[in-house]
Amino acid sequence: GAGVSQSPSNKVTEKGKDVELRCDPISGHTALYWYRQSLGQGLEFLIYFQGNSAPDKSGLPSDRFSAERTGGSVSTLTIQRTQQEDSAVYLCASSRPGQGLRGYTFGSGTRLTVV
Amino acid sequence: GENVEQHPSTLSVQEGDSAVIKCTYSDSASNYFPWYKQELGKGPQLIIDIRSNVGEKKDQRIAVTLNKTAKHFSLHITETQPEDSAVYFCAASISNNDMRFGAGTRLTVKP
Repeated sequence: GAGVSQSPSNKVTEKGKDVELRCDPISGHTALYWYRQSLGQGLEFLIYFQGNSAPDKSGLPSDRFSAERTGGSVSTLTIQRTQQEDSAVYLCASSRPGQGLRGYTFGSGTRLTVV
Repeated sequence: GENVEQHPSTLSVQEGDSAVIKCTYSDSASNYFPWYKQELGKGPQLIIDIRSNVGEKKDQRIAVTLNKTAKHFSLHITETQPEDSAVYFCAASISNNDMRFGAGTRLTVKP
């Protein structure tokens, strides 16, 4: 596609429910990143996928958070047993080989609200 | 790990004036410093970046300066226009999976 696509754009969920957020990177982009943007805060790194390598999960805040990337393309971020502090905008970015950080393209994000 | 601090958190300027946003970083190994602009309802977009072997870079009305000794870098926007109003983020990075962002600056350009 022309850009990084994230769905849904908005999600309201009840505390304790599980949610899945989806990211479709730009075709051909081998690197994919998830960030969390809380109100008034910077972008918090969550997880990084690069090709077929094991993902860097060092930014995941708790074991309720997990992510996978199927076929080296689409990625799903799953939050189990959501808490109110999980409310934030979740941003996905991708970059193509050789571009590294300079080639970062962000999606528009999923605004998650836990009530 | 890297820690990036950004100031101010909000900035209001009159159209035509200049705007300056400053960031400091903690890890002297950081070698890549991008700036992103985030408009309402959109993801951040790269507007300018600088690598550690360069002290200044300019692109039309925007420029970035880097002081590696002091570990700080700044974004300068001249002749501001209302469409420059957005949230601006600085970042510092050593590697692909270690980009750390500042908390953001909400810039408002008043016509």
